[in-house]
Amino acid sequence: DAGITQSPRHKVTETGTPVTLRCHQTENHRYMYWYRQDPGHGLRLIHYSYGVKDTDKGEVSDGYSVSRSKTEDFLLTLESATSSQTSVYFCAISDLDGSVAFFGQGTRLTVV
Amino acid sequence: AQKVTQAQTEISVVEKEDVTLDCVYETRDTTYYLFWYKQPPSGELVFLIRRNSFDEQNEISGRYSWNFQKSTSSFNFTITASQVVDSAVYFCALSEATRQVRNQGGKLIFGQGTELSVKP
Repeated sequence: DAGITQSPRHKVTETGTPVTLRCHQTENHRYMYWYRQDPGHGLRLIHYSYGVKDTDKGEVSDGYSVSRSKTEDFLLTLESATSSQTSVYFCAISDLDGSVAFFGQGTRLTVV
Repeated sequence: AQKVTQAQTEISVVEKEDVTLDCVYETRDTTYYLFWYKQPPSGELVFLIRRNSFDEQNEISGRYSWNFQKSTSSFNFTITASQVVDSAVYFCALSEATRQVRNQGGKLIFGQGTELSVKP
């Protein structure tokens, strides 16, 4: 299995609170991604990173920010959680453009 | 812009039937990669296959086969003699090659998924 760990695996939070999800890899891969999965939408890219301190927006980035201060860690922050951000969040890693992306186990986030 | 369409939202078959999952993609790039992932009920995403845009050979892996046709921008997935363990959501995805500007390569764009139910 690819060395990707997401934490926490489950979280319930209240509307308006900040939330940070962590993705940790042991593969030293360059690319890291955050996706959210919602019924009827498949997986949609939130943000991605192509190196330390190099990040860019995906298709659904509003309300989210990311940071990558080390190769192994990619953090996703919801500055002020809303109910529309209730979802399953997946982190992924890949080493080269077009290489296989391996996914973490997912984080189920519920915003009440 | 990139786009992946999986028109079949749900498919239900009886065990041992063959089933084909359709995937149609859009891209302006000449170099790109296509993927299939499986998501069983347990929730993890399992890589099945990767194809690059210069390789149109069909591929077979056991009961799985893939048909890549650039002329129709399709990358279809067939399961032969389906089994109950094949029940899952299957995702097709597209990744364009690196762009020289701003390192925009490598993003995986997913279709909406096809939920396959194989009944005994």
